[in-house]
Amino acid sequence: TQLLEQSPQFLSIQEGENLTVYCNSSSVFSSLQWYRQEPGEGPVLLVTVVTGGEVKKLKRLTFQFGDARKDSSLHITAAQPGDTGLYLCAGGYNNNDMRFGAGTRLTVKP
Amino acid sequence: KAGVTQTPRYLIKTRGQQVTLSCSPISGHRSVSWYQQTPGQGLQFLFEYFSETQRNKGNFPGRFSGRQFSNSRSEMNVSTLELGDSALYLCASSLARGINYEQYFGPGTRLTVT
Repeated sequence: TQLLEQSPQFLSIQEGENLTVYCNSSSVFSSLQWYRQEPGEGPVLLVTVVTGGEVKKLKRLTFQFGDARKDSSLHITAAQPGDTGLYLCAGGYNNNDMRFGAGTRLTVKP
Repeated sequence: KAGVTQTPRYLIKTRGQQVTLSCSPISGHRSVSWYQQTPGQGLQFLFEYFSETQRNKGNFPGRFSGRQFSNSRSEMNVSTLELGDSALYLCASSLARGINYEQYFGPGTRLTVT
C-alpha cells in the first residue's frame, strides 16, 4: 500500500493545454517535495513546500500544499513537450523519513 | 561539480546470484540514501548512510544490505537474487541528514534478474 497516492497515473495531453496532478495521503507531512524524472535519469527536485496552504510558483508550474498538510497538487499551465516526464511527490515525516508516491507519467504531444 | 555517479548503469543477473552496486556522492556530501524504483511500487526507500553508519532502514528483507566508506562512497549488496528484485536502483546524496537538505539523485543502476 502506497503511503502517498498520486493521480492520475498516466496523462497524455496536447501542447498548450493545462493540467493538474494530485498527491494525497492520510498522513500529515512536515514537508512535501515534487520531483521530475526523465528516462534514464534520476529524479530532480522541483520544489519543497512546508507550510499548510502554501503556494509556490516556478514559471508555468504552480504547487500547492493542502491546509492540513496531507495533500498537494501540481498545476502546469500551457504544457510543452519539454514538460514530459514522471512527476513524483515525496512526503517528509519525522526529520529523516521521506516517502515517495508512484508518480504521474505525463506525455505532452507537440 | 560532478553529480552523483552510479556503477554499473545496467546489470543482468540470474536468480540466486548476488550483486553489488556502487554510488559515488557529490563531493562534500556525507549522506547517501538508496531507493528501489519499480513501475508498480514507485520509489521505495532502502536505507540511508551517514558517516559510515546506517541511520535509517526501509522495509526490505535482510538480503538487501549496504555500507558506506570513509570517503562517503556507498555500496549496496543484494544476495540470493529473486525475479522481483528487477528494478532501477537509485542512490541520492545530500550534504547532511534530514529532510531539509536537498537530495541529488544519480542516474540509477537498472538490474534485471532472469
